[in-house]
Amino acid sequence: GQQVMQIPQYQHVQEGEDFTTYCNSSTTLSNIQWYKQRPGGHPVFLIQLVKSGEVKKQKRLTFQFGEAKKNSSLHITATQTTDVGTYFCAVPISGSARQLTFGSGTQLTVLP
Amino acid sequence: DAGITQSPRHKVTETGTPVTLRCHQTENHRYMYWYRQDPGHGLRLIHYSYGVKDTDKGEVSDGYSVSRSKTEDFLLTLESATSSQTSVYFCASLGTSGTGGTDTQYFGPGTRLTVL
Repeated sequence: GQQVMQIPQYQHVQEGEDFTTYCNSSTTLSNIQWYKQRPGGHPVFLIQLVKSGEVKKQKRLTFQFGEAKKNSSLHITATQTTDVGTYFCAVPISGSARQLTFGSGTQLTVLP
Repeated sequence: DAGITQSPRHKVTETGTPVTLRCHQTENHRYMYWYRQDPGHGLRLIHYSYGVKDTDKGEVSDGYSVSRSKTEDFLLTLESATSSQTSVYFCASLGTSGTGGTDTQYFGPGTRLTVL
C-alpha cells in the first residue's frame, strides 16, 4: 500500500529557532495533508496541498509541495512553546481518495 | 472541531476479554474511521465505514471488528483482547474544511486501552 516516510522522528529546538519536518513518497501524490497533535490531544487538520510546487503559509508555518509531488515539508519560523506537539503528514491511499496513510510523525519539543 | 466523542476514554482490561469502543458523531458524516496510535507508527487505519452497515478493512484489521447501525455511531470491538492491542484508539469522521471544501478528517479525543 501507499507509504510515506517522515523525518526526523524527534526534534528539540530552542524557542526562537526554526523547525522543519519532511515527508517523502516513492510515488506521485494527488495531494498531501498535514495534521498537528498536541501532547495528550488528538490530531487536528492544518492544511492540504494539491498543486505541484505549491506553497501555503499559516502565520509562522510554511507548507511546501514538491515539484514532482513526491515530497512535502512543513517549516516553522521562530518556534514558540505553543508549537510543541507531533506533526503528521497524510496522503491518500492509492485508489481511495477518502482513506489516508499517515506518516510516523515528527515530535517537536521547544525548550524555553 | 466536529462533534465527535469516544467512550470510554480510558479502559484497563485483561487478556482474552471482549472490549467495545464507541464513537459518536453529530455531524451526519458518511465516512468514519478507527485508528490505533503507537509510538513510532503514527496512526494506522484499523477499519473504516462508508455508510450505515458498509464497512471495510484497513491496514491493521486482524483481531478487530466494527459495526455501524446508525450514521452517528461506529463501534470497534476487540473480540478477545491481547496485550499487543494496548494502544490509543482514535475515531475520525470525514467532513469538509475551508472555502475550498477540502475533505478533512476530524478526530475524536481518543481512548487509551490497556490490556494486561
